[in-house]
Amino acid sequence: GQNIDQPTEMTATEGAIVQINCTYQTSGFNGLFWYQQHAGEAPTFLSYNVLDGLEEKGRFSSFLSRSKGYSYLLLKELQMKDSASYLCAVHRGSYIPTFGRGTSLIVHP
Amino acid sequence: DGGITQSPKYLFRKEGQNVTLSCEQNLNHDAMYWYRQDPGQGLRLIYYSQIVNDFQKGDIAEGYSVSREKKESFPLTVTSAQKNPTAFYLCASSMDISYEQYFGPGTRLTVT
Repeated sequence: GQNIDQPTEMTATEGAIVQINCTYQTSGFNGLFWYQQHAGEAPTFLSYNVLDGLEEKGRFSSFLSRSKGYSYLLLKELQMKDSASYLCAVHRGSYIPTFGRGTSLIVHP
Repeated sequence: DGGITQSPKYLFRKEGQNVTLSCEQNLNHDAMYWYRQDPGQGLRLIYYSQIVNDFQKGDIAEGYSVSREKKESFPLTVTSAQKNPTAFYLCASSMDISYEQYFGPGTRLTVT
């Protein structure tokens, strides 16, 4: 079966750095995506990894290790508006997307 | 202004009725998707379409049906056979199936 694990909830302080982990076991792998979803809203795309290594995009970075079935999303200089759910999604065989349950991040002042 | 629209935002139906949720995109994307999201759950794939006139079942297709007669449109019908239809339904599209997805604002369906 397909299995994607993320922590359910994390808390952090404004201005700090937080790392959200995602582990996966899927039949086939064709890329890993991170999305941000504010409460009651649609998810929006943050980052994409298909090769091992780190992808940096402003305050957000994402890392992938295909051999370990592991990714993380790193958020720097946290802001209150970063309070949201962060969804890890794997494109498995035939590029079929599978989402994890999401990590709810709460940023405190 | 390009994007994906879903209507209505809230929908109420009685048990035993079929209901159709609309999804339209003007991004010229080939691929479109339907998901449902329940509290504490991730997005679960219902159906997806890689190209017009073609669609495939996702992980939870039972009780749902779709059509893809036009590139811009991918309506989802929730049939009376769906045992737990109350949920938040999200439609998405992507340039093709390997690219990132763009999501519509969602339709919250309540069936009583």
